[in-house]
Amino acid sequence: AQKVTQAQTEISVVEKEDVTLDCVYETRDTTYYLFWYKQPPSGELVFLIRRNSFDEQNEISGRYSWNFQKSTSSFNFTITASQVVDSAVYFCALYTGGFKTIFGAGTRLFVKA
Amino acid sequence: ETGVTQTPRHLVMGMTNKKSLKCEQHLGHNAMYWYKQSAKKPLELMFVYNFKEQTENNSVPSRFSPECPNSSHLFLHLHTLQPEDSALYLCASSVPGEGAYEQYFGPGTRLTVT
Repeated sequence: AQKVTQAQTEISVVEKEDVTLDCVYETRDTTYYLFWYKQPPSGELVFLIRRNSFDEQNEISGRYSWNFQKSTSSFNFTITASQVVDSAVYFCALYTGGFKTIFGAGTRLFVKA
Repeated sequence: ETGVTQTPRHLVMGMTNKKSLKCEQHLGHNAMYWYKQSAKKPLELMFVYNFKEQTENNSVPSRFSPECPNSSHLFLHLHTLQPEDSALYLCASSVPGEGAYEQYFGPGTRLTVT
């Protein structure tokens, strides 16, 4: 069975702190894709990153970085020097085949000024 | 206009009403999706259309009826809904290739069933 677990329901940080959002996935497939999306208060989910199962390179994009570790089935997301505009719900998602992407329950991040 | 748009943004309807949600994408994609997002629940995939053909119906009650007249437009027709159907309904699109590619979401329709 495929599953995505985001154990952190809510995280609250003060601006400029670094914060890591955890994502653990389960699948028996060897080929799969992992995603992170951001949902600001406006409602639409915004795509942040896609990673396939054969590419374990970590990625950095500005203040965002992602750590993919197949050995622990984790795909964690770190925001460096957080800002108030980073306040949102963040979703990790897994795709293994067909048209169904499995989303985690989301982590709500509050960044206080 | 760019991206994925949804109308209306908010909708209040009684259980005996009939209404429709509209989604339009301007990204040249050929796959479109309807999701339901309820409080404290993961996103639930409802329907998927690929090149106007329905490829996924995730055991959705028949009171929800999708329609995809072309690759740019997607509708969700609603009738005799229940209060538990109150939720945020999100539309998304992607390039074809099943779910391996990122999806682009609209802002959603906040539906309240009274």
